[in-house]
Amino acid sequence: GAVVSQHPSRVICKSGTSVKIECRSLDFQATTMFWYRQFPKQSLMLMATSNEGSKATYEQGVEKDKFLINHASLTLSTLTVTSAHPEDSSFYICSARGGGDNGYTFGSGTRLTVV
Amino acid sequence: DAKTTQPPSMDCAEGRAANLPCNHSTISGNEYVYWYRQIHSQGPQYIIHGLKNNETNEMASLIITEDRKSSTLILPHATLRDTAVYYCIVRVFGSYNTDKLIFGTGTRLQVFP
Repeated sequence: GAVVSQHPSRVICKSGTSVKIECRSLDFQATTMFWYRQFPKQSLMLMATSNEGSKATYEQGVEKDKFLINHASLTLSTLTVTSAHPEDSSFYICSARGGGDNGYTFGSGTRLTVV
Repeated sequence: DAKTTQPPSMDCAEGRAANLPCNHSTISGNEYVYWYRQIHSQGPQYIIHGLKNNETNEMASLIITEDRKSSTLILPHATLRDTAVYYCIVRVFGSYNTDKLIFGTGTRLQVFP
């Protein structure tokens, strides 16, 4: 079946630094990928839609200059959290559209801790 | 905004059927209903989806009411490994005709021995 690989699975960074998270579709091409954020005991919140070769579309209230998204190829999208602060600590999950009947395959998530 | 409402939690005995309800009264004619589940600290796992007709696969069955305002996910023989948060999702269309999944609050299903 369709597989989406997300890396790293865990990352700890110092406040003020930037962190890049990668999302790869391993066995299919994904023109569209999605980035979600999930705080403890809460649901997934859609942050942005990433389209290959064009600018990402951000959901209302999400700072596009803080959460930089690049979708340079049909199999890779990256999310960079710039100038990270402790309140950015969260579980970040990507999803790729395509690769099977269900249409949306999710990565295993990245737990970001900013200290 | 999420277009679905679900009970926050449910219990089910192992081996029995788990019936998880979902209301989506504002669903539009071309919007699909998707079900995913999430086990702690993992990415969501696809279960099933449908538009109008009832659907069944190796994991579950999806029953959609005729007016499409609600649906029920059925796990026919729940096991302890089915303990998870189950999300009922309506696939919505955003700007530039793009579609996306907007998650609701989900139902925490606890399967007990």
